[in-house]
Amino acid sequence: DTAVSQTPKYLVTQMGNDKSIKCEQNLGHDTMYWYKQDSKKFLKIMFSYNNKELIINETVPNRFSPKSPDKAHLNLHINSLELGDSAVYFCASSQDGGWDSRNIFGQGTRLTVV
Amino acid sequence: SQQGEEDPQALSIQEGENATMNCSYKTSINNLQWYRQNSGRGLVHLILIRSNEREKHSGRLRVTLDTSKKSSSLLITASRAADTASYFCATDRGGSGGSNYKLTFGKGTLLTVNP
Repeated sequence: DTAVSQTPKYLVTQMGNDKSIKCEQNLGHDTMYWYKQDSKKFLKIMFSYNNKELIINETVPNRFSPKSPDKAHLNLHINSLELGDSAVYFCASSQDGGWDSRNIFGQGTRLTVV
Repeated sequence: SQQGEEDPQALSIQEGENATMNCSYKTSINNLQWYRQNSGRGLVHLILIRSNEREKHSGRLRVTLDTSKKSSSLLITASRAADTASYFCATDRGGSGGSNYKLTFGKGTLLTVNP
């Protein structure tokens, strides 16, 4: 059973399109995250949610909108895609945001904007 | 300024040798974590060391933390070809209420273990 699963694994789309990436965790964790890894492998947090509530928004353009319908799901919607959005996006979860902050990562979604 | 910077950026060794990677950071932390990423895959948590700990072991992994120098090292003993991956350190600075925190990752060390 996959602990943190995200779909799709690959996404190729044209500039200006709107796309969504879905993430689900079956670990019962309270906190979920979205990270962006660029072509140089630099991994940077974008958002974190704790029990469906937005906790961190790291100066991400407002074209990116996370949505958490329940604490097991955190989806990422991206409007008006740009070439610079091409990257690998990782969803992750942790037991909580404090004492046990070990992140469990999904396998990533490789987004290519053409 | 970037929190969590690993060195070296790349390390190539022979199977059976030990591999040591270092991580430096700039601010105070609650804990420091090491992750492994195989090519094209998600990150896998390896080990977490808290700010009041100095050393931790897990199988062939040994992590040290020196909060006075704001640095950590990851030692992999008796390396195997399967250890070939990128290794990242991540610092947890904590936040108010325990939930307002984030991990800040370094740029990683690419380890290649040659058979």
